[in-house]
Amino acid sequence: EPEVTQTPSHQVTQMGQEVILRCVPISNHLYFYWYRQILGQKVEFLVSFYNNEISEKSEIFDDQFSVERPDGSNFTLKIRSTKLEDSAMYFCASSTARQNIQYFGAGTRLSVL
Amino acid sequence: KQEVTQIPAALSVPEGENLVLNCSFTDSAIYNLQWFRQDPGKGLTSLLLIQSSQREQTSGRLNASLDKSSGRSTLYIAASQPGDSATYLCAVIGAQGGSEKLVFGKGTKLTVNP
Repeated sequence: EPEVTQTPSHQVTQMGQEVILRCVPISNHLYFYWYRQILGQKVEFLVSFYNNEISEKSEIFDDQFSVERPDGSNFTLKIRSTKLEDSAMYFCASSTARQNIQYFGAGTRLSVL
Repeated sequence: KQEVTQIPAALSVPEGENLVLNCSFTDSAIYNLQWFRQDPGKGLTSLLLIQSSQREQTSGRLNASLDKSSGRSTLYIAASQPGDSATYLCAVIGAQGGSEKLVFGKGTKLTVNP
């Protein structure tokens, strides 16, 4: 069964460093999403992406964050200068259509020291 | 602002029992509601999606119902098994403004004891 793949599974970084989290969505999906889950808290929406543009973003998704689809298969989330509070599990999701079922990857655990 | 609440936060049952997990949302203007399963340290597995026009969806031993006007959904698990132990999350997509974001509850942690 097709699945969303995320790498790495765990990323450790120093505060102030840039990180790039990578995702390979399901191949025929056109809509892509990033969510995050701080330990013990709810899963929170960050951003949605379609046709090489951000279609919706939350107030969490400030100028420190950016997303890109650098080629036909990858979808990345970049955090320019990480803060301690960016430590969380980051989930990528994809969907065939807007407001359709979203399929999630296994997540990348980001630890900022 | 949409808020999703799940009660109880944790539930422990003996194997074989039928159980119901509850989800409520504050804004009834939703496009759809999705139930997920999350295993410790793992991703989210989609279980069922109910469109706003539907009353229920079934998949195997799972049945999800939706009462949009009262802002409630339930996930019924029949004949529970230890392998059902996980955290169950519900999430809604709002109908207004063409939103695509899922708004999640905090989940119910289910333990099924052998």
